[in-house]
Amino acid sequence: NAGVTQTPKFRVLKTGQSMTLLCAQDMNHEYMYWYRQDPGMGLRLIHYSVGEGTTAKGEVPDGYNVSRLKKQNFLLGLESAAPSQTSVYFCASSSSGAATQETQYFGPGTRLLVL
Amino acid sequence: RKEVEQDPGPFNVPEGATVAFNCTYSNSASQSFFWYRQDCRKEPKLLMSVYSSGNEDGRFTAQLNRASQYISLLIRDSKLSDSATYLCVVNLEKSSGDKLTFGTGTRLAVRP
Repeated sequence: NAGVTQTPKFRVLKTGQSMTLLCAQDMNHEYMYWYRQDPGMGLRLIHYSVGEGTTAKGEVPDGYNVSRLKKQNFLLGLESAAPSQTSVYFCASSSSGAATQETQYFGPGTRLLVL
Repeated sequence: RKEVEQDPGPFNVPEGATVAFNCTYSNSASQSFFWYRQDCRKEPKLLMSVYSSGNEDGRFTAQLNRASQYISLLIRDSKLSDSATYLCVVNLEKSSGDKLTFGTGTRLAVRP
């Protein structure tokens, strides 16, 4: 049982390049989340999904797109990377929503540097 | 005012000390409360949920004060391995449904 995995672990991009971050979970969780973490800012929610085929915007969605074609996978895309998107990206999943006191399980993170 | 506010620390304590962190939240209708722990360059992991009546897990005690809108975490008999950043996490209001709001964290350093 791998839990939540993320690929890649680290990536360097040039401004304007595109990339996709992959998150996979093997816990059959309905809910999945993408966060970014920056120094002094805490984790901020980018997008989330409450089930296969659904996505919703979080606190900081601009410049990102997501897709949840399969229940176990949640993809985060950057169409045209900007230096402001340099950050550590965490994926998380949970069996039910945040209001239910259910734990969110996090992946190990992806460190992205945009030059 | 930040939605979830924590003292960033660092709290620098000797082994065996008792240390307490507080966290305030902005919305009195908040429903779910947690403490997560994050080690350097690692992902956050749930330390404990916080329940209305307060709860304890070994050396860790969490309290919720709805009237004053804060939660607290008490660590007794600190160990070197407790050194980490502790994140206060809140589901702020019913309308935010499935979203959690994270504090920026309080850093704890336990010295020998």
